[in-house]
Amino acid sequence: EPEVTQTPSHQVTQMGQEVILRCVPISNHLYFYWYRQILGQKVEFLVSFYNNEISEKSEIFDDQFSVERPDGSNFTLKIRSTKLEDSAMYFCASRPSSSVGTGELFFGEGSRLTVL
Amino acid sequence: ELKVEQNPLFLSMQEGKNYTIYCNYSTTSDRLYWYRQDPGKSLESLFVLLSNGAVKQEGRLMASLDTKARLSTLHITAAVHDLSATYFCAVDPGTYKYIFGTGTRLKVLA
Repeated sequence: EPEVTQTPSHQVTQMGQEVILRCVPISNHLYFYWYRQILGQKVEFLVSFYNNEISEKSEIFDDQFSVERPDGSNFTLKIRSTKLEDSAMYFCASRPSSSVGTGELFFGEGSRLTVL
Repeated sequence: ELKVEQNPLFLSMQEGKNYTIYCNYSTTSDRLYWYRQDPGKSLESLFVLLSNGAVKQEGRLMASLDTKARLSTLHITAAVHDLSATYFCAVDPGTYKYIFGTGTRLKVLA
């Protein structure tokens, strides 16, 4: 069964460093998302991406963050100058077009980011 | 701004008992999703509810949606230990973002 894959599964970085989290969405999906979950807390929307541009972003998604779809398969989240409070699990999700399926989001296994 | 609230936030229940988790949301939406999350794991889709009055059942779990009341319920029948997890509802308000509820951490005691 097709699945969303994310790398790395865990990344440890020093405060102030840049990190890139990678996602490979399901191949026929058109909408891509990043969510964040601080340990034990709610799942927070960061950004959605469609047709090679950002569709919506939350207040969390400030200039420190960027997303890119550099080729036909990868979808990346870049966090510049990481802060301690960026430590969280980051989930990538995808879904097919609105005319196909139920709108259900399919999630990857997540990338745990630890900022020291 | 869409708000999605769940209650209770924590639920500890005995095996064999029934209980209901509630998901309230603040804006119009015809689409609501329930997910399960085990500790340290990803979000697993449980139910997709796409219209007013929709009811879905899988095993000991049943979900329903009342779009007029802006309320969804997840009912647990005769709970078993394997149902211990955190349950999230998520609302699609027709924009490009899905908003998740606060989550309900369920612990089923043997």
